[in-house]
Amino acid sequence: QITLKESGPMLVNPTETLTLTCTLSGVSLSTRGVGVVWIRQPPGKALEWLALIYWDDDKRYSPSLKSRLTITKDTSKNQVVLTMTNVDPVDTATYYCAHRLPSGRTFDYWGQGTLVTVSS
Amino acid sequence: QSALTQPASVSGSPGQSITISCTGTSSDVGIYNLVSWYQQYPGKAPKLMVYEDNKRPSGVSNRFSVSKSGNTASLTISGLQAEDEADYYCCSYSSTITYVFGTGTKVTVL
Repeated sequence: QITLKESGPMLVNPTETLTLTCTLSGVSLSTRGVGVVWIRQPPGKALEWLALIYWDDDKRYSPSLKSRLTITKDTSKNQVVLTMTNVDPVDTATYYCAHRLPSGRTFDYWGQGTLVTVSS
Repeated sequence: QSALTQPASVSGSPGQSITISCTGTSSDVGIYNLVSWYQQYPGKAPKLMVYEDNKRPSGVSNRFSVSKSGNTASLTISGLQAEDEADYYCCSYSSTITYVFGTGTKVTVL
């Protein structure tokens, strides 16, 4: 059974950098084919895909947020980290990490999500 | 890369069938058969329901099926049940080797 859990600050000041961590269990980030994505959802709004990192450290970013996002992994801790620079109140959202199904372009296991509020 | 377009709401009576559309472009929905559909209850994480050519994770009912025509993908829920009342999102792989979600559809069971 694969599980994912997001962690990070609940409140961030505008213009600061947000750092979120996704801890995986039941699957190793070093296993061929494994990928982890970050997705966010502002309150009452739609899901938005943010970034993806593969087992081989290949990375993909949302074109609209690419300049502000960095995704990395720590294989020893089985964690994926997302950083977002220069946050704004519009970045207030629930942030999810999810496991990419190795045999398909889809996300089969999701974390519970963590709500991040950007406000001074 | 714009969000895929879904109807804001769809409703149906128990036992009926409903269809949710998901319209993209020739750079995402139209170019690949790589659309997935997620169900989300309020305050909960999305759940994968169907993906690609009608593949379903273990435990998902075959009442959920998908189809595609051109740049539009569709999710059909047959034999609508009260537990199907939720938000539904489509998501497509795109030619930029990234993903794009739909605008979301609220399904109401009358």
